[in-house]
Amino acid sequence: GAVVSQHPSWVICKSGTSVKIECRSLDFQATTMFWYRQFPKQSLMLMATSNEGSKATYEQGVEKDKFLINHASLTLSTLTVTSAHPEDSSFYICSATSGSLETQYFGPGTRLLVL
Amino acid sequence: GENVEQHPSTLSVQEGDSAVIKCTYSDSASNYFPWYKQELGKRPQLIIDIRSNVGEKKDQRIAVTLNKTAKHFSLHITETQPEDSAVYFCAASKDYKLSFGAGTTVTVRA
Repeated sequence: GAVVSQHPSWVICKSGTSVKIECRSLDFQATTMFWYRQFPKQSLMLMATSNEGSKATYEQGVEKDKFLINHASLTLSTLTVTSAHPEDSSFYICSATSGSLETQYFGPGTRLLVL
Repeated sequence: GENVEQHPSTLSVQEGDSAVIKCTYSDSASNYFPWYKQELGKRPQLIIDIRSNVGEKKDQRIAVTLNKTAKHFSLHITETQPEDSAVYFCAASKDYKLSFGAGTTVTVRA
């Protein structure tokens, strides 16, 4: 149980374009999902917390207009990187909570490369 | 916000030996401490967790200890095996948000 998927697993795009990443909880309803960014050989940095049916809460320093998050249902959250630039290239990982709000289960991640 | 420090950054052990990773946190309000294992290019996987009302928890070869007074917690892996080689992250949770340590790269030598 507690399986989280992400799509796509990797994406290459041109600078200035937008990219949408989907995060799904496959076998449970996730009232809360989290989005992280991980640069090579670094730790996970929380970008935002996404609650179903409400606006996401962004961490300090994360531009909400650049990283659009939508949590339209209990099983799906999306992250859209708008007007992507090379410095946005990173590994984006979502997580979701099941039952216990504390335990987070992670998706497989999406590797974004902006050329 | 919460600040989690993790040591060492790299750890090399002989197969069969034990590995210990230590973390400290800054916010006494943090009440949940999970440990994740991440293999290269893959998702972090929860391996063990402990809540603030417990001092120690064990699951087969893995154990975690928590000292709330000193605000530090540790991961212990006994009888290490090559498949234990990975990056390990500690984390501290406050208000359901996780703050991660910098990670420890563990290499188990055969």
